[in-house]
Amino acid sequence: DVKVTQSSRYLVKRTGEKVFLECVQDMDHENMFWYRQDPGLGLRLIYFSYDVKMKEKGDIPEGYSVSREKKERFSLILESASTNQTSMYLCASRDRGRKGNQPQHFGDGTRLSIL
Amino acid sequence: AQKVTQAQTEISVVEKEDVTLDCVYETRDTTYYLFWYKQPPSGELVFLIRRNSFDEQNEISGRYSWNFQKSTSSFNFTITASQVVDSAVYFCALTDDDRGSTLGRLYFGRGTQLTVWP
Repeated sequence: DVKVTQSSRYLVKRTGEKVFLECVQDMDHENMFWYRQDPGLGLRLIYFSYDVKMKEKGDIPEGYSVSREKKERFSLILESASTNQTSMYLCASRDRGRKGNQPQHFGDGTRLSIL
Repeated sequence: AQKVTQAQTEISVVEKEDVTLDCVYETRDTTYYLFWYKQPPSGELVFLIRRNSFDEQNEISGRYSWNFQKSTSSFNFTITASQVVDSAVYFCALTDDDRGSTLGRLYFGRGTQLTVWP
């Protein structure tokens, strides 16, 4: 089974702090994704990566950056945390495989609160 | 542009009732893939099913069944004889044929909260 591990289940930080959310997958997947989930808005894509050191902006990249130095690890960085970044953050990975038809596998999520 | 609409925000049923979750999608691509995910209260998204645009056969897996109709751009999900453990948020998602870039990003609907009462 695919295992996607997010470093923290719950996290509380203060406004202005630099925050790192870590995600590790154990299946040698090429593609990795970061989403945030808010009530009534569903899942929104922040950033994704299709290979080491490669990244693409999703729909809401403002205020975030990412790092993919190793294939198994994809980090989401809040450069200067703000209260509107309080949310549930979900990481996913996917085997590139055949085009378009491999499911994404998700971690358990990190509930981040910015005070 | 790709878009997925789940018009039902919340559904409540009593155990053993059948329930259908609706999903309507928009895409200009002729090749695309549709997914359903379940998110129980614990938070992780669990993959349920994948369907490609060339396969309109309905699928049944135990109490779950999926009805894919290209003519109405719908991919509906039915739970037969619902149980309390089916209570979760269910997401429908779409990915396009990524033409060799293999990015595979998903476009999600906003989800349907299903509550099954004992």
